Amino acid sequence: SQTIHQWPATLVQPVGSPLSLECTVEGTSNPNLYWYRQAAGRGLQLLFYSVGIGQISSEVPQNLSASRPQDRQFILSSKKLLLSDSGFYLCAWSGLAGALSYNEQFFGPGTRLTVL
Amino acid sequence: TQLLEQSPQFLSIQEGENLTVYCNSSSVFSSLQWYRQEPGEGPVLLVTVVTGGEVKKLKRLTFQFGDARKDSSLHITAAQPGDTGLYLCAGIRGSNYKLTFGKGTLLTVNP
Repeated sequence: SQTIHQWPATLVQPVGSPLSLECTVEGTSNPNLYWYRQAAGRGLQLLFYSVGIGQISSEVPQNLSASRPQDRQFILSSKKLLLSDSGFYLCAWSGLAGALSYNEQFFGPGTRLTVL
Repeated sequence: TQLLEQSPQFLSIQEGENLTVYCNSSSVFSSLQWYRQEPGEGPVLLVTVVTGGEVKKLKRLTFQFGDARKDSSLHITAAQPGDTGLYLCAGIRGSNYKLTFGKGTLLTVNP
Protein backbone atom coordinates (compact mmCIF):
# COMPACT_ATOMS: atom_id res chain seq x y z
CA SER A 1 0.00 0.00 0.00
CA GLN A 2 1.01 3.59 -0.51
CA THR A 3 1.75 6.10 2.23
CA ILE A 4 2.66 9.75 2.21
CA HIS A 5 4.59 11.56 4.91
CA GLN A 6 5.04 15.23 5.65
CA TRP A 7 7.21 16.96 8.20
CA PRO A 8 7.28 18.87 10.31
CA ALA A 9 3.65 18.70 11.46
CA THR A 10 3.75 22.24 12.84
CA LEU A 11 6.20 25.08 12.44
CA VAL A 12 6.44 28.58 13.85
CA GLN A 13 8.93 30.81 12.05
CA PRO A 14 9.82 34.52 12.20
CA VAL A 15 9.33 36.77 9.20
CA GLY A 16 12.40 36.72 6.97
CA SER A 17 13.56 33.24 7.99
CA PRO A 18 14.01 30.38 5.49
CA LEU A 19 11.62 27.46 5.08
CA SER A 20 11.93 23.84 4.10
CA LEU A 21 9.00 21.44 4.17
CA GLU A 22 9.48 17.86 3.09
CA CYS A 23 7.14 15.28 1.60
CA THR A 24 7.92 11.66 0.81
CA VAL A 25 5.81 8.92 -0.74
CA GLU A 26 6.22 5.17 -0.26
CA GLY A 27 4.83 2.22 -2.16
CA THR A 28 4.65 3.69 -5.64
CA SER A 29 6.97 4.74 -8.44
CA ASN A 30 6.91 7.74 -10.78
CA PRO A 31 4.11 9.54 -8.92
CA ASN A 32 2.87 12.99 -9.77
CA LEU A 33 3.49 15.17 -6.71
CA TYR A 34 1.65 18.32 -5.64
CA TRP A 35 1.95 21.11 -3.07
CA TYR A 36 -1.21 22.90 -1.94
CA ARG A 37 -1.91 25.67 0.54
CA GLN A 38 -5.18 25.84 2.43
CA ALA A 39 -6.21 29.06 4.12
CA ALA A 40 -8.78 29.23 6.94
CA GLY A 41 -9.79 25.56 6.57
CA ARG A 42 -11.42 26.07 3.20
CA GLY A 43 -10.52 25.35 -0.42
CA LEU A 44 -7.10 24.24 -1.55
CA GLN A 45 -4.86 26.31 -3.79
CA LEU A 46 -2.41 24.41 -5.99
CA LEU A 47 1.09 25.87 -5.62
CA PHE A 48 3.37 23.46 -7.52
CA TYR A 49 3.17 20.12 -9.24
CA SER A 50 5.77 17.74 -10.59
CA VAL A 51 5.54 14.87 -13.07
CA GLY A 52 9.13 13.71 -12.60
CA ILE A 53 12.52 14.33 -11.02
CA GLY A 54 13.62 17.91 -11.54
CA GLN A 55 10.36 18.82 -13.31
CA ILE A 56 8.46 21.53 -11.45
CA SER A 57 5.49 23.59 -12.62
CA SER A 58 4.49 26.67 -10.65
CA GLU A 59 0.85 27.62 -10.54
CA VAL A 60 0.97 30.83 -8.53
CA PRO A 61 3.71 33.48 -8.51
CA GLN A 62 4.88 33.80 -4.95
CA ASN A 63 7.61 33.73 -2.37
CA LEU A 64 7.94 29.95 -2.50
CA SER A 65 9.79 27.39 -4.60
CA ALA A 66 9.69 23.61 -4.96
CA SER A 67 12.20 20.93 -5.81
CA ARG A 68 12.07 17.21 -6.51
CA PRO A 69 15.53 15.76 -5.93
CA GLN A 70 14.33 12.14 -5.93
CA ASP A 71 11.41 10.27 -7.49
CA ARG A 72 9.36 10.17 -4.28
CA GLN A 73 10.59 13.30 -2.51
CA PHE A 74 9.09 16.77 -2.88
CA ILE A 75 10.38 19.83 -1.04
CA LEU A 76 8.76 23.24 -0.55
CA SER A 77 11.15 26.08 0.25
CA SER A 78 11.42 29.78 0.82
CA LYS A 79 14.46 32.00 1.30
CA LYS A 80 12.57 34.64 3.31
CA LEU A 81 9.14 34.00 4.79
CA LEU A 82 6.38 36.60 4.73
CA LEU A 83 3.44 36.92 7.12
CA SER A 84 1.16 35.95 4.22
CA ASP A 85 2.93 32.58 3.91
CA SER A 86 1.13 31.33 7.02
CA GLY A 87 -1.29 28.50 6.32
CA PHE A 88 -1.81 24.76 6.13
CA TYR A 89 0.45 23.14 3.55
CA LEU A 90 -0.56 19.86 2.01
CA CYS A 91 1.41 17.49 -0.18
CA ALA A 92 -0.37 15.01 -2.43
CA TRP A 93 0.48 12.28 -4.88
CA SER A 94 -1.27 10.58 -7.77
CA GLY A 95 -0.21 7.74 -10.01
CA LEU A 96 -0.74 4.29 -11.34
CA ALA A 97 -0.96 1.82 -8.47
CA GLY A 98 -3.33 -1.12 -8.45
CA ALA A 99 -6.74 0.16 -9.52
CA LEU A 100 -5.71 3.79 -9.08
CA SER A 101 -5.23 6.25 -11.90
CA TYR A 102 -3.78 9.74 -12.10
CA ASN A 103 -7.29 11.11 -11.50
CA GLU A 104 -7.16 10.46 -7.77
CA GLN A 105 -4.91 12.43 -5.45
CA PHE A 106 -3.97 11.28 -1.97
CA PHE A 107 -2.96 13.76 0.65
CA GLY A 108 -0.45 13.82 3.45
CA PRO A 109 -1.29 14.93 6.99
CA GLY A 110 -0.20 18.53 6.33
CA THR A 111 2.10 21.09 7.94
CA ARG A 112 0.67 24.01 9.89
CA LEU A 113 2.98 27.00 9.29
CA THR A 114 2.69 30.14 11.37
CA VAL A 115 4.86 33.11 10.42
CA LEU A 116 5.21 35.71 13.18
CA THR B 1 -14.28 33.62 -10.30
CA GLN B 2 -14.54 30.22 -8.60
CA LEU B 3 -14.54 27.41 -11.15
CA LEU B 4 -16.34 25.00 -8.82
CA GLU B 5 -19.08 26.44 -6.62
CA GLN B 6 -20.12 24.44 -3.60
CA SER B 7 -23.34 25.00 -1.69
CA PRO B 8 -24.23 25.45 0.99
CA GLN B 9 -21.03 26.78 2.53
CA PHE B 10 -22.16 25.81 6.03
CA LEU B 11 -24.69 23.22 7.14
CA SER B 12 -25.67 22.30 10.69
CA ILE B 13 -28.17 19.50 11.19
CA GLN B 14 -29.38 17.02 13.80
CA GLU B 15 -28.35 13.39 13.89
CA GLY B 16 -30.65 11.25 11.76
CA GLU B 17 -31.51 13.95 9.19
CA ASN B 18 -30.81 13.66 5.48
CA LEU B 19 -28.85 16.26 3.53
CA THR B 20 -27.59 17.08 0.07
CA VAL B 21 -24.63 19.26 -0.86
CA TYR B 22 -23.89 20.50 -4.35
CA CYS B 23 -20.92 21.17 -6.57
CA ASN B 24 -21.60 23.21 -9.70
CA SER B 25 -19.62 24.58 -12.60
CA SER B 26 -20.09 26.00 -16.07
CA SER B 27 -17.16 23.89 -17.26
CA VAL B 28 -17.03 20.23 -18.22
CA PHE B 29 -14.86 17.93 -16.13
CA SER B 30 -13.34 14.63 -17.22
CA SER B 31 -13.58 13.40 -13.63
CA LEU B 32 -14.72 14.72 -10.31
CA GLN B 33 -13.67 13.73 -6.82
CA TRP B 34 -15.24 14.21 -3.38
CA TYR B 35 -13.06 14.50 -0.29
CA ARG B 36 -13.78 14.81 3.41
CA GLN B 37 -11.41 16.70 5.65
CA GLU B 38 -11.32 16.86 9.43
CA PRO B 39 -9.67 19.75 11.31
CA GLY B 40 -5.86 19.62 11.20
CA GLU B 41 -5.75 16.68 8.80
CA GLY B 42 -5.37 16.18 5.08
CA PRO B 43 -8.42 15.55 2.86
CA VAL B 44 -9.45 11.92 2.44
CA LEU B 45 -10.74 10.75 -0.92
CA LEU B 46 -14.31 9.43 -0.78
CA VAL B 47 -15.15 8.77 -4.42
CA THR B 48 -14.27 9.48 -8.04
CA VAL B 49 -16.92 9.82 -10.74
CA VAL B 50 -16.03 9.89 -14.42
CA THR B 51 -19.16 9.10 -16.46
CA GLY B 52 -22.04 11.56 -16.97
CA GLY B 53 -25.09 10.42 -14.99
CA GLU B 54 -22.99 8.08 -12.86
CA VAL B 55 -24.24 7.27 -9.35
CA LYS B 56 -21.99 5.76 -6.69
CA LYS B 57 -22.91 4.69 -3.20
CA LEU B 58 -20.64 4.46 -0.19
CA LYS B 59 -22.70 3.18 2.74
CA ARG B 60 -25.02 6.11 3.61
CA LEU B 61 -23.40 8.43 1.06
CA THR B 62 -24.69 8.71 -2.51
CA PHE B 63 -22.70 10.61 -5.14
CA GLN B 64 -24.06 11.66 -8.51
CA PHE B 65 -22.28 13.14 -11.52
CA GLY B 66 -24.43 15.30 -13.76
CA ASP B 67 -25.27 14.12 -17.26
CA ALA B 68 -23.24 16.94 -18.79
CA ARG B 69 -20.35 16.37 -16.34
CA LYS B 70 -20.58 19.94 -15.07
CA ASP B 71 -22.03 19.29 -11.64
CA SER B 72 -22.23 16.76 -8.85
CA SER B 73 -24.13 16.14 -5.65
CA LEU B 74 -23.50 14.29 -2.41
CA HIS B 75 -26.47 12.98 -0.45
CA ILE B 76 -26.10 11.66 3.09
CA THR B 77 -28.87 9.57 4.61
CA ALA B 78 -29.42 9.49 8.37
CA ALA B 79 -26.43 11.69 9.16
CA GLN B 80 -24.30 10.82 12.16
CA PRO B 81 -21.90 12.97 14.23
CA GLY B 82 -19.02 11.09 12.60
CA ASP B 83 -20.03 12.63 9.27
CA THR B 84 -18.99 16.05 10.56
CA GLY B 85 -16.26 17.63 8.46
CA LEU B 86 -15.40 19.74 5.45
CA TYR B 87 -16.63 18.20 2.21
CA LEU B 88 -14.62 19.25 -0.83
CA CYS B 89 -15.31 18.59 -4.46
CA ALA B 90 -12.49 18.75 -6.97
CA GLY B 91 -12.39 18.20 -10.70
CA ILE B 92 -9.99 17.52 -13.52
CA ARG B 93 -10.53 19.19 -16.88
CA GLY B 94 -9.18 17.73 -20.08
CA SER B 95 -6.14 15.50 -20.05
CA ASN B 96 -4.05 17.23 -17.38
CA TYR B 97 -4.09 15.85 -13.86
CA LYS B 98 -4.38 19.10 -11.95
CA LEU B 99 -7.29 19.21 -9.53
CA THR B 100 -9.40 22.33 -9.17
CA PHE B 101 -11.05 22.51 -5.76
CA GLY B 102 -14.26 24.11 -4.60
CA LYS B 103 -14.24 25.99 -1.30
CA GLY B 104 -16.09 23.22 0.48
CA THR B 105 -19.19 22.65 2.58
CA LEU B 106 -18.60 22.61 6.33
CA LEU B 107 -21.02 20.07 7.78
CA THR B 108 -21.81 19.77 11.48
CA VAL B 109 -24.00 16.92 12.68
CA ASN B 110 -25.24 17.49 16.20
CA PRO B 111 -26.03 14.49 18.45
